Amino acid sequence: DTGVSQNPRHKITKRGQNVTFRCDPISEHNRLYWYRQTLGQGPEFLTYFQNEAQLEKSRLLSDRFSAERPKGSFSTLEIQRTEQGDSAMYLCASSSNDPDRGLTYEQYFGPGTRLTVT
Amino acid sequence: GQQLNQSPQSMFIQEGEDVSMNCTSSSIFNTWLWYKQDPGEGPVLLIALYKAGELTSNGRLTAQFGITRKDSFLNISASIPSDVGIYFCAGQYGRTYKYIFGTGTRLKVLA
Repeated sequence: DTGVSQNPRHKITKRGQNVTFRCDPISEHNRLYWYRQTLGQGPEFLTYFQNEAQLEKSRLLSDRFSAERPKGSFSTLEIQRTEQGDSAMYLCASSSNDPDRGLTYEQYFGPGTRLTVT
Repeated sequence: GQQLNQSPQSMFIQEGEDVSMNCTSSSIFNTWLWYKQDPGEGPVLLIALYKAGELTSNGRLTAQFGITRKDSFLNISASIPSDVGIYFCAGQYGRTYKYIFGTGTRLKVLA
């Protein structure tokens, strides 16, 4: 179990460019989440997947944002036509059912991708 | 986006002191999680709570699921310098699997 990994760790881009981030969840975790965190705030929910199905999206996720989890393993988050307001830490988390507890809601986070839009 | 109220927002304490913080909401929650986050890193899960009134410990950390299901508490005993960081609560409600996070409590420990 290597934990949740995210790539890249840092991304600097110019306004108007597209960016894509990758998240690799803990092996066999069936749920994967994306959050956005700005300075001084807690993580804000963006979207989550159960296996390959995207089950819920926040209103924060504008039409410039798209997330995929094509094979139910890793996920990508793409931001098109980036704006300066998109500058933030993008966090990925994963969770799974625990056979001893039944459903479990424990989420484990990756290190995040810091996006800076200039 | 929606965030839970955490109190206090920040605190300075002396090494060896006990720390208490809480998280409140107007909604009823099914699960509470407590995290610690260091600068530039992702949050690290400390404690998970699943039942109203539940009291769970992890080393020097103890957390409680409020009886009303609208709040949760985290205590740190005998604080040490490495306890410095931001502590977040996160609550899950209804039949959704998503979490709402608190605004964070920033802890600074004076040696």
